[in-house]
Amino acid sequence: QQPVQSPQAVILREGEDAVINCSSSKALYSVHWYRQKHGEAPVFLMILLKGGEQKGHEKISASFNEKKQQSSLYLTASQLSYSGTYFCGTDTNDYKLSFGAGTTVTVRA
Amino acid sequence: DAGVTQSPTHLIKTRGQQVTLRCSPISGHKSVSWYQQVLGQGPQFIFQYYEKEERGRGNFPDRFSARQFPNYSSELNVNALLLGDSALYLCASSPDLTGFLGYTFGSGTRLTVV
Repeated sequence: QQPVQSPQAVILREGEDAVINCSSSKALYSVHWYRQKHGEAPVFLMILLKGGEQKGHEKISASFNEKKQQSSLYLTASQLSYSGTYFCGTDTNDYKLSFGAGTTVTVRA
Repeated sequence: DAGVTQSPTHLIKTRGQQVTLRCSPISGHKSVSWYQQVLGQGPQFIFQYYEKEERGRGNFPDRFSARQFPNYSSELNVNALLLGDSALYLCASSPDLTGFLGYTFGSGTRLTVV
């Protein structure tokens, strides 16, 4: 079953912050985050394994609450290059990723 | 190093026809997964192959099949094409079965069924 992402879309000005949430109804083993720009392939950002760790990638970080089966992606001090559609992919320990519908982020100057 | 390469990039087929899509993973990557992405949606898992064996299958009809070759490249076959099969088909490779190092996606094959 697909995870649910929210919000569906967000518009930011450069320098603003945003949070994207990903929620699953199943127990999760790991959560992946990808960014896809229009007409391009999804690009891997990070993976979080169960254990509630938080990871960072430049000014993009994420957390994973395995008890709530939720993950959040944090965009800090957004840059124009952060624009794109962000997908979470969830793994329930069968190594098959289920992707959410995506969150479209638009960063404006 | 070359990334994940897929061919062809675009394809137009008629309902009822068959199509074969090809994927070459990153050198050293032994796992290949296939996804279908409909416009405005996230990728939907179709198959995963590791060391030439099918290790996972998504909720797709038997018209969809795939295989992996000794050099780890892969083909996705779709028979009896329907209009609803029109989508972007993505191939993703990873070094191992777990995907813990993340998946590298190809640019995809855009399939249009008319």
